[in-house]
Amino acid sequence: QVQLHESGPGLVKPSQTLSLTCTVSGGSINSGNYQWDWIRQPAGKGLEWIGRIHKGGSTTYNPSLKSRVTMSIDTSKNHFSLDLRTVTAADTAVYYCAREVAPTGLDWVFDYWGQGSLVTVTS
Amino acid sequence: IQMTQSPSSLSASVGDRVTITCRASQHISMYLNWYQQKVGKAPKVLIYGASSLQSGVPSRFSGSGSGTDFTLTISSLQPEDFATYYCQQSYSTPWTFGQGTKVEIK
Repeated sequence: QVQLHESGPGLVKPSQTLSLTCTVSGGSINSGNYQWDWIRQPAGKGLEWIGRIHKGGSTTYNPSLKSRVTMSIDTSKNHFSLDLRTVTAADTAVYYCAREVAPTGLDWVFDYWGQGSLVTVTS
Repeated sequence: IQMTQSPSSLSASVGDRVTITCRASQHISMYLNWYQQKVGKAPKVLIYGASSLQSGVPSRFSGSGSGTDFTLTISSLQPEDFATYYCQQSYSTPWTFGQGTKVEIK
């Protein structure tokens, strides 16, 4: 059973960088044709896709955040990471990591999720 | 691509048939997924490709539609189904979600 677990600081000061890591267990991040994603959810609100990274390192970011986001992957440690720069209070949210799979080759879906990590931007 | 769900919330009783709709701002073929989210938990996929049931999901959940209009149906609502439901398009990045439909106990 694949499991994902987010880790990182729960508090970040405005203008600083939010950094999170997602550790994958129960399977290799380097196997299969998966994308590894970050999604966030402000309290009481909906879901916003941040971006994804493939095992080979190729990335796709949401244009709304692209100028501030960097994702990386470390297959030797079986984890991937998110950096979000120059944060403001609007970046306060629960951040989820998720695995993305294409069951029939074209229709991508998030099939495994982490439990979520609350990050609060506050001075 | 903007995804719009209706209603935003609904009240229903155990045993009721419940239908949630999702409309895309442009054609997305059948690249539409449905998720269930309970309070304090991560979303869980129910339906992918508009109508394919994810392994392990009860058969009372079904999805239909193509193009721009989609529905999620719960044939007989169970106590564990009270949650918020989200649609998500996987036609083109950036992936986008509907605003959610909260299903509450009547």
